[in-house]
Amino acid sequence: DIQMTQSPATLSASVGDRVTITCRASQSISNWLAWYQQKPGTAPKLLIYKASKLHSGVPSRFSGSGSGTEFTLTIRSLQPDDSATYYCHQYDSFWTFGQGTRVEIK
Amino acid sequence: QVQLVQSGAEMKKPGASVKISCRASGYTFTSFDINWVRQATGQGPEWMGWMSPNSGNTGYAQKFEGRVTMTRDTSTSTAYMELSSLRSEDTAVYYCVREFCADVCYCDSWGQGTLVTVSS
Repeated sequence: DIQMTQSPATLSASVGDRVTITCRASQSISNWLAWYQQKPGTAPKLLIYKASKLHSGVPSRFSGSGSGTEFTLTIRSLQPDDSATYYCHQYDSFWTFGQGTRVEIK
Repeated sequence: QVQLVQSGAEMKKPGASVKISCRASGYTFTSFDINWVRQATGQGPEWMGWMSPNSGNTGYAQKFEGRVTMTRDTSTSTAYMELSSLRSEDTAVYYCVREFCADVCYCDSWGQGTLVTVSS
């Protein structure tokens, strides 16, 4: 099975900061990677698919990059509404999710 | 708009089975695979398997082989996931997820989740 390792587990940043979350796959997944945002009590919401494609309706401050085994999600200018947990998800070989990164606003 | 509406919360005893429904609307149900994912409190999501509503074909994660069954009723655009021999570790929120595929695939729609609590 492909393992997904996300870092950091938690980060605290100020409004307007640039924030980066990393996800590493245990083997190459090409660019079959998605990023989700999840707020308490709700289902995950798709932000990015195929590593770098912004899903419809998602603010342009979110971006994704990477291929192979290393991927990043960047929030260009952190907003209060971005307080949430973020998950990466590989769908190259079956599905695996990362353990999540909790983003807090200082 | 695309919607996946799941059945309500369930409380089960160890050893019992649970069957969750996921009713699709806003698109042609048979056009896209449905996956099932669960999430225990404080954990990342865990994939359980997929089903093609068109053919009924399924594929299950090895961890759940023998305990999970995914079916569908195309007349009502409803997918079902049944998990048997429940144990306390199966306590989680269960989601159905649509995998949209055109020139590229992505998972754009999730059900609202169904909490399953397993306790004696």
